[in-house]
Amino acid sequence: GNSVTQMEGPVTLSEEAFLTINCTYTATGYPSLFWYVQYPGEGLQLLLKATKADDKGSNKGFEATYRKETTSFHLEKGSVQVSDSAVYFCALSAIRGGSQGNLIFGKGTKLSVKP
Amino acid sequence: NAGVTQTPKFQVLKTGQSMTLQCAQDMNHNSMYWYRQDPGMGLRLIYYSASEGTTDKGEVPNGYNVSRLNKREFSLRLESAAPSQTSVYFCASSELLDRGVGYTFGSGTRLTVV
Repeated sequence: GNSVTQMEGPVTLSEEAFLTINCTYTATGYPSLFWYVQYPGEGLQLLLKATKADDKGSNKGFEATYRKETTSFHLEKGSVQVSDSAVYFCALSAIRGGSQGNLIFGKGTKLSVKP
Repeated sequence: NAGVTQTPKFQVLKTGQSMTLQCAQDMNHNSMYWYRQDPGMGLRLIYYSASEGTTDKGEVPNGYNVSRLNKREFSLRLESAAPSQTSVYFCASSELLDRGVGYTFGSGTRLTVV
């Protein structure tokens, strides 16, 4: 079946540090891949997406590349800020997701950035 | 602002009480969803509606019912609340059921059942 596995948190970094949050997936066919961000007390917001192999999604200094050969979509940012503190969810959109629906989420990784 | 609006934002229920969570979107989206978010579990789909007039069970539908009232509104009902339903509930919508378009989420309803 379809699934998303992302690194367990929490992740604590100092301001201006480099961020990587790992995400790997299992899916049939060619899913689209997403990163969502959830700030404290808010709903999820789409951060970036990639719809085919080798595509790079980017937004707000964050990047992720769709790697079909390693079934990965790791999130990176070169220099994090305190305002990046949030929970990050990797997700895939499957054509036939069954009871999980068509957007399948990882469990989330909490990022805390210290000044 | 355009988007997905959920009401109420917070609710405390006693075991056995019923309530309806409301969700409305103004983006003319066809598909709508209800998720619950629990610590360490990520988001799990409760029910979804691919288009007006249709609803389908998600991963964790037991104890819930839904109504797609019209294209804009999709409500979630708890007929007899249980402590296991204490969670944060999110409504979401998308233009189409799949095709990788991404979803727009509401800000959530934090429900506590005592």
